[in-house]
Amino acid sequence: SAVISQKPSRDICQRGTSLTIQCQVDSQVTMMFWYRQQPGQSLTLIATANQGSEATYESGFVIDKFPISRPNLTFSTLTVSNMSPEDSSIYLCSADDTYGYTFGSGTRLTVV
Amino acid sequence: GEDVEQSLFLSVREGDSSVINCTYTDSSSTYLYWYKQEPGAGLQLLTYIFSNMDMKQDQRLTVLLNKKDKHLSLRIADTQTGDSAIYFCAESRTNAGKSTFGDGTTLTVKP
Repeated sequence: SAVISQKPSRDICQRGTSLTIQCQVDSQVTMMFWYRQQPGQSLTLIATANQGSEATYESGFVIDKFPISRPNLTFSTLTVSNMSPEDSSIYLCSADDTYGYTFGSGTRLTVV
Repeated sequence: GEDVEQSLFLSVREGDSSVINCTYTDSSSTYLYWYKQEPGAGLQLLTYIFSNMDMKQDQRLTVLLNKKDKHLSLRIADTQTGDSAIYFCAESRTNAGKSTFGDGTTLTVKP
């Protein structure tokens, strides 16, 4: 199955700044997904990223706040813009696999 | 919309069997998954089952599906301390399409 390298693994950021999270897949994948996971909670889908098209955002998430790039079939980035403490969370990328998803190891973001 | 529910906590003794339960609401769910998340890590796909199956066994893992009741369970035989993690149930209508995840069951295995 595919393997995803996600970085950074964690970061502490000042409010008002932006952080870009990168995910590199070791094989070509059609669909990539970005999730947010609050501590002790389930995963909330932020957006779906397909190569060559704009990302599709879920209700409650907007492109200005979470711009996503998908320049090729093995790479994607998520930017958390103009951060506030409410953005403190774990952010996970995933990609479609033979069955189900493969996930990156997550980025633990703390906004102070 | 679709909903997936799980009990939040389960504690078992090492060597016992663990059974984690999940219910879902979407009658169009075709693919049902179990993922494991260890501390500080992403989710790892453990196993999956198609909606036209009743059971799937993979080494120590047994998945049972009651499609009529929309109930899914994961049984871990001979549970080990290394099985301590959060287990997520998920469903989707299409393979590798959008999935809905449950809130996760935290399994604690006591020596």
